[in-house]
Amino acid sequence: GEDVEQSLFLSVREGDSSVINCTYTDSSSTYLYWYKQEPGAGLQLLTYIFSNMDMKQDQRLTVLLNKKDKHLSLRIADTQTGDSAIYFCAEMAGNQFYFGTGTSLTVIP
Amino acid sequence: EADIYQTPRYLVIGTGKKITLECSQTMGHDKMYWYQQDPGMELHLIHYSYGVNSTEKGDLSSESTVSRIRTEHFPLTLESARPSHTSQYLCASSEQGATGNTIYFGEGSWLTVV
Repeated sequence: GEDVEQSLFLSVREGDSSVINCTYTDSSSTYLYWYKQEPGAGLQLLTYIFSNMDMKQDQRLTVLLNKKDKHLSLRIADTQTGDSAIYFCAEMAGNQFYFGTGTSLTVIP
Repeated sequence: EADIYQTPRYLVIGTGKKITLECSQTMGHDKMYWYQQDPGMELHLIHYSYGVNSTEKGDLSSESTVSRIRTEHFPLTLESARPSHTSQYLCASSEQGATGNTIYFGEGSWLTVV
């Protein structure tokens, strides 16, 4: 399968911005996604970006895509304690979905 | 908003028992999936289906089986549960629409085999 890599942990202070990074290997990816998973729950779709876009903004969330470097990032502005969760990036390539290992975000009050 | 439901949410069963995890979606999606996930860890695809009467094995070998007799229903069965099957099982379905091909997840079924 394709490789989707994420750093495992990130800690930020409440009110700061969080940036979660993801790299992928398949240049034929058509869509890239960010999901949030809270403890004991399933994955909730946060946002997605089409591969011909560089940026997408949705309220406190900003997704940046560098297709040349195969790098995707999720920026959360004004991070709140309720943002503490595991964040998964995912790509769709060849009609299949590939998920990263997840980044555990801890927000310190 | 995704409408995909899993039951039971939590289950503790003894070794050797047979268990079926139910998954239903009301969105009319053709593709459905089962993932296995240990707490805080990555997702492993164990089964998927392209539609009625279609079932495929995923990347991770699993002793479970699935069936797809109706579009909305994709149950997963373990004939003889073992402690190594203790995990969270996530059901998902995907659409192909004008704005993209998106996968939606249920809330998960936590299985503990003692």
